[in-house]
Amino acid sequence: EIVLTQSPGTLSLSPGEGATLSCRASQSVTNACQSVGNACLAWYQQRPGQAPRLLIYGASSRAAGFPDRFSGSGSGTDFTLTISRLEPEDFAVYYCQQYASSPPTFGQGTKLEIK
Amino acid sequence: QVQLVQSGAEVRKPGASVKVSCKASGYTFTTYGLSWVRQAPGQGLEWMGWIDPYNGNTYYVQKFQGRVTMTTDTSTGTAYMELRSLRSDDTAEYYCARGGGGWHQDVWGKGTTVTVSS
Repeated sequence: EIVLTQSPGTLSLSPGEGATLSCRASQSVTNACQSVGNACLAWYQQRPGQAPRLLIYGASSRAAGFPDRFSGSGSGTDFTLTISRLEPEDFAVYYCQQYASSPPTFGQGTKLEIK
Repeated sequence: QVQLVQSGAEVRKPGASVKVSCKASGYTFTTYGLSWVRQAPGQGLEWMGWIDPYNGNTYYVQKFQGRVTMTTDTSTGTAYMELRSLRSDDTAEYYCARGGGGWHQDVWGKGTTVTVSS
């Protein structure tokens, strides 16, 4: 199965700053993706006590309800979630997930905390 | 709007079984796969498997094969996940989510807490 490694484990920042979260896959999630030309890589946001919420899919497509401060990029094995101008509600745990290969797998998460 | 409503919290003894339900609304139930994901306390997300409500086909992660059964009732738009031979390390929040294997999960239920304790 594809292993996803997220870094850093914890990111301490202040509101208004920008955040860069990384997700690295043990093998390509673009080549094996059924959606030709895209990467089967998603990002989820999970606030304390809540269910995860889809944030990014296809590596760079933003889900409904999220502002354009959130953006995803990357291909192959290296992916990035960028959040500009952090708002208080952005502080949460972020998980990447690959769905190119069965079974789908999640990274261990990056906790974005207020500094 | 699209919603997945899960059943309430459960407490079981080791060795018992639990069956969690997930009722879908706001979309055509048979059009999307339905995944089950669990999260142990303070831990990350673990994908368990998925079911295609259109034909009942299932895929289970090897770790759960033989202990888990996922089913659907298309007449009510409800999915079920049964986990047997429960152990203490099955204590977790169990989520259903729309979207099967090969797809992202775009809508999530609020979760069902399953506690396994003697």
